[in-house]
Amino acid sequence: DTGVSQDPRHKITKRGQNVTFRCDPISEHNRLYWYRQTLGQGPEFLTYFQNEAQLEKSRLLSDRFSAERPKGSFSTLEIQRTEQGDSAMYLCASSLVIGVSNKETQYFGPGTRLLVL
Amino acid sequence: GQQVMQIPQYQHVQEGEDFTTYCNSSTTLSNIQWYKQRPGGHPVFLIQLVKSGEVKKQKRLTFQFGEAKKNSSLHITATQTTDVGTYFCAGLGAGSYQLTFGKGTKLSVIP
Repeated sequence: DTGVSQDPRHKITKRGQNVTFRCDPISEHNRLYWYRQTLGQGPEFLTYFQNEAQLEKSRLLSDRFSAERPKGSFSTLEIQRTEQGDSAMYLCASSLVIGVSNKETQYFGPGTRLLVL
Repeated sequence: GQQVMQIPQYQHVQEGEDFTTYCNSSTTLSNIQWYKQRPGGHPVFLIQLVKSGEVKKQKRLTFQFGEAKKNSSLHITATQTTDVGTYFCAGLGAGSYQLTFGKGTKLSVIP
């Protein structure tokens, strides 16, 4: 399977614990995005990487959230001191954009569903 | 900040009927994209519109981008049970990498 993969697919944790999710984008894709989706809502942008550089972060991304893409390939999203309000589906997407272009297709992974008890 | 509103939130149609969902942005968009998410699944890219007034077709699906690049629509002709899912529009603002999604329209098709 050459699509975007995410691990784990499901995570149940207790409030106050730290969790880390991993995203493996499509090979050679230079852009990687993290989104959060709650029931009945569309995905909400969290952050974006161009290769290994984190270029944009949403105001939704509190200090408890941190994301990395150390070698410009896979990415991790860590949530520290989880709260019940963090319960959601965390989606990763990747794309390949060459040069300056406003055309882009984002391919989403299956998501990691987080439940904070 | 940029807001993208989508209506209706839900739509129930008889199989064979047409379906339309509408998307409006609070700001002018660089492009607009449409995604479909099946129950329990993840968003799947359908199409991207870039030009003012652009119309694109994919079989029974017709996508339009408004002249002012602030609104868009998706029309499905003669719905089938395979069309079931939630359809999201997502707008990209000028100079931004942040895709803003609408809340989606959940389509149910009654056989």
